[in-house]
Amino acid sequence: NAGVTQTPKFQVLKTGQSMTLQCAQDMNHNSMYWYRQDPGMGLRLIYYSASEGTTDKGEVPNGYNVSRLNKREFSLRLESAAPSQTSVYFCAGAHGLDTGELFFGEGSRLTVL
Amino acid sequence: DQQVKQNSPSLSVQEGRISILNCDYTNSMFDYFLWYKKYPAEGPTFLISISSIKDKNEDGRFTVFLNKSAKHLSLHIVPSQPGDSAVYFCAAIRNMLTFGGGTRLMVKP
Repeated sequence: NAGVTQTPKFQVLKTGQSMTLQCAQDMNHNSMYWYRQDPGMGLRLIYYSASEGTTDKGEVPNGYNVSRLNKREFSLRLESAAPSQTSVYFCAGAHGLDTGELFFGEGSRLTVL
Repeated sequence: DQQVKQNSPSLSVQEGRISILNCDYTNSMFDYFLWYKKYPAEGPTFLISISSIKDKNEDGRFTVFLNKSAKHLSLHIVPSQPGDSAVYFCAAIRNMLTFGGGTRLMVKP
């Protein structure tokens, strides 16, 4: 009963390095999301995918790219990491967007030195 | 400019008493309002929601109130239990889900 699974859970990068956060869901969700959580800022939407094959920018997309590889998987890529991207990242899925009920993964803590 | 705001970063309540968490919003076009609960080292989990056409929704110990004229949302937990200690996020949806900054609730035994 995995739900939404994110890897890795922890990562330390140096400025300028690249990495990809992986997310997979087994709940047959149509839409998937990447959020970042920073103290006092709540969760801010980076990118989302309303359905397989589509992706759209959220509130804070700069410095990130995403890929909706198939219905199950939605990855987030940092091409050139910056200290401002130090954060906790959450992937989430939903059957639709109408009621706002999302199912979140456990989070990935990223530190950029 | 934050469209959804939680002005109290923390709240401490005695076990058995009522916890009231507040949230203000600026966009009158939001369709649904939600509360999420988050424990340390876990992802947020959905708690309760309310449609913009309602003013109250109740689920067990949790009740959400919506005051559209004041653009204000509140979550009442009665009675509060130590296991309710967590960070609570309010959120609102209009095309995408927008979260407030969170309120840390501590319920003391």
